[in-house]
Amino acid sequence: GDSVTQMEGPVTLSEEAFLTINCTYTATGYPSLFWYVQYPGEGLQLLLKATKADDKGSNKGFEATYRKETTSFHLEKGSVQVSDSAVYFCALSDNAGNMLTFGGGTRLMVKP
Amino acid sequence: DAGVTQSPTHLIKTRGQQVTLRCSPKSGHDTVSWYQQALGQGPQFIFQYYEEEERQRGNFPDRFSGHQFPNYSSELNVNALLLGDSALYLCASSLGTGELFFGEGSRLTVL
Repeated sequence: GDSVTQMEGPVTLSEEAFLTINCTYTATGYPSLFWYVQYPGEGLQLLLKATKADDKGSNKGFEATYRKETTSFHLEKGSVQVSDSAVYFCALSDNAGNMLTFGGGTRLMVKP
Repeated sequence: DAGVTQSPTHLIKTRGQQVTLRCSPKSGHDTVSWYQQALGQGPQFIFQYYEEEERQRGNFPDRFSGHQFPNYSSELNVNALLLGDSALYLCASSLGTGELFFGEGSRLTVL
């Protein structure tokens, strides 16, 4: 079945550091790929998405590129802020778009 | 515009009991999905409801059941609770297979 693997956390960075959170996937067909963010005490929020190979999703300074050849969708941000501290989840959808399969999540802690 | 609302936010049950969780979707959304998020893990898909029918189901036992009402709100029922059912239960709504909007969840503790 489909699966998503992302780097374990926590990831601890200083403010303005460069962020990379790795995500790889296994899926049949051509899934859409997503990054969700979960702030403390809140539900999941969609951060960005990409629906086909070589697409780049971007939002709030975060970006990720759908790499079919390496089955990856790594999340990057050039300069993190304290407010980016949260748990980040990589996910893929089935071909019908009905079901999301999530990775285990990566906790990011940004220190001032 | 209210987003996805879930109730209750927290509840405690004992093993063997039954629980019902409720979800009101975002205005204009007709599809509701439920996910279970165990502590420190990613959410796992339980099932999805559309037009009052279960459209797709994840790998969860029959103890987990649901319902969608004509106003698109939904309930998740879990019977014969086990300790392992302790988790955050997330409801997400969408318009068809569009973007999912998640609620803040109902945290269930089974003692």
